[in-house]
Amino acid sequence: DAKTTQPPSMDCAEGRAANLPCNHSTISGNEYVYWYRQIHSQGPQYIIHGLKNNETNEMASLIITEDRKSSTLILPHATLRDTAVYYCIVRVAEGGSNYKLTFGKGTLLTVNP
Amino acid sequence: SAVISQKPSRDICQRGTSLTIQCQVDSQVTMMFWYRQQPGQSLTLIATANQGSEATYESGFVIDKFPISRPNLTFSTLTVSNMSPEDSSIYLCSVEGELGLRRYFGPGTRLTVT
Repeated sequence: DAKTTQPPSMDCAEGRAANLPCNHSTISGNEYVYWYRQIHSQGPQYIIHGLKNNETNEMASLIITEDRKSSTLILPHATLRDTAVYYCIVRVAEGGSNYKLTFGKGTLLTVNP
Repeated sequence: SAVISQKPSRDICQRGTSLTIQCQVDSQVTMMFWYRQQPGQSLTLIATANQGSEATYESGFVIDKFPISRPNLTFSTLTVSNMSPEDSSIYLCSVEGELGLRRYFGPGTRLTVT
């Protein structure tokens, strides 16, 4: 699976949009971009994933560049509860459940009041 | 979605002893995954457990140290054997969600070895 690069930390003001970048320049055509987050003392939580197109759900939006070498996770109105480590992961889009989900160091997002 | 519970939530153990961690899922799943998260670090996959077959271990993890049981489609255990302080970590259970599109994680077991 392709490696990802994320900034180690970011700050965001409460109520503002949080834009978390991720570089995955070696991504292959059959690899998805996934985002998970881990709030302190909890297990990781799935946020969103995408292959080529931009995606939006109730938690966030995912913007993938046309060349797919980078992406941005957007939390439109960050709250204090969004303070967490955010992981950008790429995985092969094969069928079945036996794929490796490899976590990097992620970005610690701190939402300030 | 899948709801995962783990027992114990935390424990403090003495060097040389063993601890068995339980993972219970509220639905039947084919594959379960065990992760370790050392202090201040990211998650590392220990092994993948299929019901009815031997677990598959990642490089650096061996069955003698981390034996895994998978007696049915909703339950698994991970044992941390002959513990040393270096085993102090959070151990997390994970399962695959619907359509193979996402993973769900348990709350973790925080282990401290003294």
